[in-house]
Amino acid sequence: EDQVTQSPEALRLQEGESSSLNCSYTVSGLRGLFWYRQDPGKGPEFLFTLYSAGEEKEKERLKATLTKKESFLHITAPKPEDSATYLCAVQGDSNYQLIWGAGTKLIIKP
Amino acid sequence: DTGVSQDPRHKITKRGQNVTFRCDPISEHNRLYWYRQTLGQGPEFLTYFQNEAQLEKSRLLSDRFSAERPKGSFSTLEIQRTEQGDSAMYLCASSLSSPLVEQETQYFGPGTRLLVL
Repeated sequence: EDQVTQSPEALRLQEGESSSLNCSYTVSGLRGLFWYRQDPGKGPEFLFTLYSAGEEKEKERLKATLTKKESFLHITAPKPEDSATYLCAVQGDSNYQLIWGAGTKLIIKP
Repeated sequence: DTGVSQDPRHKITKRGQNVTFRCDPISEHNRLYWYRQTLGQGPEFLTYFQNEAQLEKSRLLSDRFSAERPKGSFSTLEIQRTEQGDSAMYLCASSLSSPLVEQETQYFGPGTRLLVL
C-alpha cells in the first residue's frame, strides 16, 4: 500500500536557524514526489516536483532532495514568512491520485 | 487571476441539508480533482475527472457524495443529507495531462470550508 510519513509533526526555529523536514514514502513505481506549502485556511501551494533519486531542486531558501525512500526539504536561514505547513505527496504508477503525508507545521520565530 | 477558484469559501449548514460546491479550474487544464482535508491531516482524495468523464472515485466515498463536470470545464460537488462528520475543507485541484508534458502538477484552489451543525 502506498504510504507517506512526514516528520517532525511540528518544528519551531529561530529566524536564521537552518533545518530539514523529512518525507518517507513507500510507493509502487514512483511517478513523482511533490512538495506543497499550505497557509492556514488556504489551499496547498505547489513548490517542487522530484522524479528520480538524486534529483535536487531549489527555490529561494528552500531545497528539496530525493532518495529511493525519502525526500528532504531543507530550509536555509528561514524568515518568519516561511512559517506554514509543508506537505509532501507521492504519485505512483498505479493511479493518478496523490497520496499525502500529514504535513510538518513550521514556525519561525523572529 | 487565472488560478483555480472555488465557491463558496465558507458554508455553514444544518445536519440533513444538502450542499453544493463549485470549482472552476485553470482554463486549459483537462483534469480536475476533489479532495477533503481535516485539521492536522493531509488532503484525502475523493474523485477525479478527465475532461467530463469521472474516472476514479475513492472507495471510502459515501453514496451521499456526487460530483459532476458536465462540459469538461467547471465541476460541482454535492453532499446530500449532510452529517457532522462531513465538516472539513473541500479542495479542488486541476492539472494538465498531455504527452507533451513531462509530469502532471496539480494546482489547488483556496478550498471551501464546510461546517455542519
